[in-house]
Amino acid sequence: EVQLVESGGGLVQPGGSLRLSCAASGFTFSNYDMHWVRQPAGKGLEWVSSIGATGDTYYAGSVKGRFIISRENAKNSLYLQMNSLRAGDTAVYFCVRDGGVQKFDYWGQGILVTVSS
Amino acid sequence: SYELTQPPSVSVSPGQTAIITCSGDKLGDKYVCWYQQKPGQSPVLVIYQDNKRPSGIPERFSGSNSGNTATLTISGTQAMDEADYYCQAWDSSTENVFGPGTKVTVL
Repeated sequence: EVQLVESGGGLVQPGGSLRLSCAASGFTFSNYDMHWVRQPAGKGLEWVSSIGATGDTYYAGSVKGRFIISRENAKNSLYLQMNSLRAGDTAVYFCVRDGGVQKFDYWGQGILVTVSS
Repeated sequence: SYELTQPPSVSVSPGQTAIITCSGDKLGDKYVCWYQQKPGQSPVLVIYQDNKRPSGIPERFSGSNSGNTATLTISGTQAMDEADYYCQAWDSSTENVFGPGTKVTVL
């Protein structure tokens, strides 16, 4: 059974940093592209970042230069280092597997990040 | 940046057909996926590559994509289909983009 479990969320002050982790199981993690998608409370989904199986990375314009996506295949883990956080980054962040051709076929339960003073 | 539009809401009677549209410039040239999200839950993929259903998704869910519009059709809508539905588009020159979402209400 595919499982994606996010951790590392919480409350952080504007300008601060936070690192999200996603523990993957039930599939060969190293073979799959992975994504982070976020959703502010009561609002829609926003793609944040992706990392290919070979390590290539992509970012939404809203986070480029502030967020860094990475993966550690030996630990079946995906990460999102979030720096210079703003109130607008407040959202539930989902770890998502790409099942091929950008289809997001498995989603984690999500982790809340709140940026507030 | 590329944008997708969806109607904010669609209402349907049980057993009837719900049609949800997703519009974008030359959307038919891109792959479109659809996701269902119920309150408090993570999204679930219901259609990928315009018209393919993942295993476990009922046959009443179908999709199409042509020109500037993609469509998700729910035939014989059931109360359990009440949810928010998001379209998502991608091609090699576009970031992943989600539509704003459509709330489907089964009256």
